[in-house]
Formats: sequence, structure tokens, C-alpha cells
Amino acid sequence: AQSVTQLDSQVPVFEEAPVELRCNYSSSVSVYLFWYVQYPNQGLQLLLKYLSGSTLVESINGFEAEFNKSQTSFHLRKPSVHISDTAEYFCAVSPPTYNQGGKLIFGQGTELSVKP
Amino acid sequence: DGGITQSPKYLFRKEGQNVTLSCEQNLNHDAMYWYRQDPGQGLRLIYYSQIVNDFQKGDIAEGYSVSREKKESFPLTVTSAQKNPTAFYLCASMGRMNTEAFFGQGTRLTVV
Repeated sequence: AQSVTQLDSQVPVFEEAPVELRCNYSSSVSVYLFWYVQYPNQGLQLLLKYLSGSTLVESINGFEAEFNKSQTSFHLRKPSVHISDTAEYFCAVSPPTYNQGGKLIFGQGTELSVKP
Repeated sequence: DGGITQSPKYLFRKEGQNVTLSCEQNLNHDAMYWYRQDPGQGLRLIYYSQIVNDFQKGDIAEGYSVSREKKESFPLTVTSAQKNPTAFYLCASMGRMNTEAFFGQGTRLTVV
């Protein structure tokens, strides 16, 4: 079974400051890793994903995450945040094989609040 | 445009009533999922289906039921047995490569 832990429920930060949202996972098999973003009263949108290959993955809006297998972590970072980044962020894992259930397992979420 | 559609966006239910939430996708995805979202608890899996006419219980299936008669549709019924149904419900679909799940815009259910 897999599980995901997001270590911070809320992260307040000032605009243009750097931010890191932490995610650790537990799994006995290899997994795919994801970060999703949710704006108020909306569904989730994929921010970035790690499937294989380079351990550093980037999104189009300046976020990046690094897969660390030894620490079973997939922390999300941005060097300079904007007001528009205010949202809830979810880390998730899924098994790479469809026949293993294909379920996304989510962390509890981290509310990022960017202040002017 | 391809996507996943949930309806209605807001739903009010009286205690003791069953209600059905709709989820339709035109992405040709085999797998569909229902999640429940409560503040501070993340997303919890209610039911999922990887193929037509088959579905599996998730972590919190009690008080819910689903059907998967068509590939495109995966409706969720919240029954009167669900003791605390007020929540935000999200439907998702995913293809066989498991590389990305697509989400609907959600249905906010309130018991009045």
C-alpha cells in the first residue's frame, strides 16, 4: 500500500519570496509522483509529474520538484512566488502499472498563501 | 474539447434522501474515480472503476453506490446511509498509462 504525507498544512509567504512545499511518500513498489493545484471551488489541475528519467521536473509556471528516492521525497519549490500562486497544492502517487489498480493516493494538501 | 464534466455544481439534499452526482468524460479513458474532499483531509477515494460493468470500493465506500454501464459515465449515489454527506465531491478519469488524472470541477453537496 502507498501513502503520502505533506508535512505542512499551511504555508504563508510574501510575494517574490521562495517557497518549498514538502511531500514524503511510502511505497513498497515504484510509483509515479504528481503535484496537483486546486483553486477555490474548482477541480484539480496537474502541475507537474515524475514518471522516470531526470529526477528534476519543471512546470510551465516556474515550479519545480525533485524526486529523491533515498529520502522518498518529492518536494515542490518555486524561487519567487506571485499572488496568483495562492491555492491548495496536493502531492499524489500512483503505481506505474494499470493492473495494480491505477489509483491516485493523495496527501492532505498544503494551503499556500502568498501575501503582498 | 475533451474533458470531464460533473453536474450539478451545487446540490442540496434533505436528510434521508438519496442523491445522484453525475460524471461524464469524453477522453476515452478506461478508469474513473470518485473522491471526497473535506477541509484538512485531502482527497479520499470512494469508488473507482477500471472497466465497464466493474468497480471497486475505495477507502470510504460506506453510504455510497456507483454504476459503470457506459465507459463515459460513472454516476455516484449518496444514500441516506451516509451519515455525514456534506462535502466537495470530485470525479476523475485516467488512461491506461497512469500518467495523468483529469478532474472535473466538482460538486458541492450540502445536507439541509
